[in-house]
Amino acid sequence: NAGVTQTPKFRVLKTGQSMTLLCAQDMNHEYMYWYRQDPGMGLRLIHYSVGEGTTAKGEVPDGYNVSRLKKQNFLLGLESAAPSQTSVYFCASSYPTSGANVLTFGAGSRLTVL
Amino acid sequence: QQPVQSPQAVILREGEDAVINCSSSKALYSVHWYRQKHGEAPVFLMILLKGGEQKGHEKISASFNEKKQQSSLYLTASQLSYSGTYFCGTEMWETSYDKVIFGPGTSLSVIP
Repeated sequence: NAGVTQTPKFRVLKTGQSMTLLCAQDMNHEYMYWYRQDPGMGLRLIHYSVGEGTTAKGEVPDGYNVSRLKKQNFLLGLESAAPSQTSVYFCASSYPTSGANVLTFGAGSRLTVL
Repeated sequence: QQPVQSPQAVILREGEDAVINCSSSKALYSVHWYRQKHGEAPVFLMILLKGGEQKGHEKISASFNEKKQQSSLYLTASQLSYSGTYFCGTEMWETSYDKVIFGPGTSLSVIP
């Protein structure tokens, strides 16, 4: 039972390059989230999904795209990376029960854009 | 929309108590509390769903005042293992409680 797995764990990009971060969960969770974490800013929601085939914007969606083609996977794409996207990215998933939407986080992916 | 947390940082000696506050400008459906150790993922501590609800986890407890749109996390008789950054996460009624928005975090350091 792996929980939430993020790949890759580390990546260095040059400005303008594209990449995709993969989040996979094996808990049959309905909801999945992508957050970015920067010093002093906490965890900011980029995009999220409440089910297979659905996505919605969070607090800071610009410059990112997402897809949820399979229930267990949530992909975060950067089409043209910018230095401002240097951050640690966390994926999380949840299965709301009795109104409680508890998040389980992945280990994080550290992205550096030069 | 992001909740406000206070204090930003706190340093405690082992055995001392601390309170971390979280407040929102929006009506809250729930408040979550998570702890993150350096270089690790945030880990769930507790969730409060009803106004006035209080919960406990070892010597860590929390309260939720729905009317004031705020929650407090209480750490009593702190241990070295309590060190880390504490985040409150909020779900708001107006967003159909499927988005969890986090505060900027409170850094807690427990020293011997």
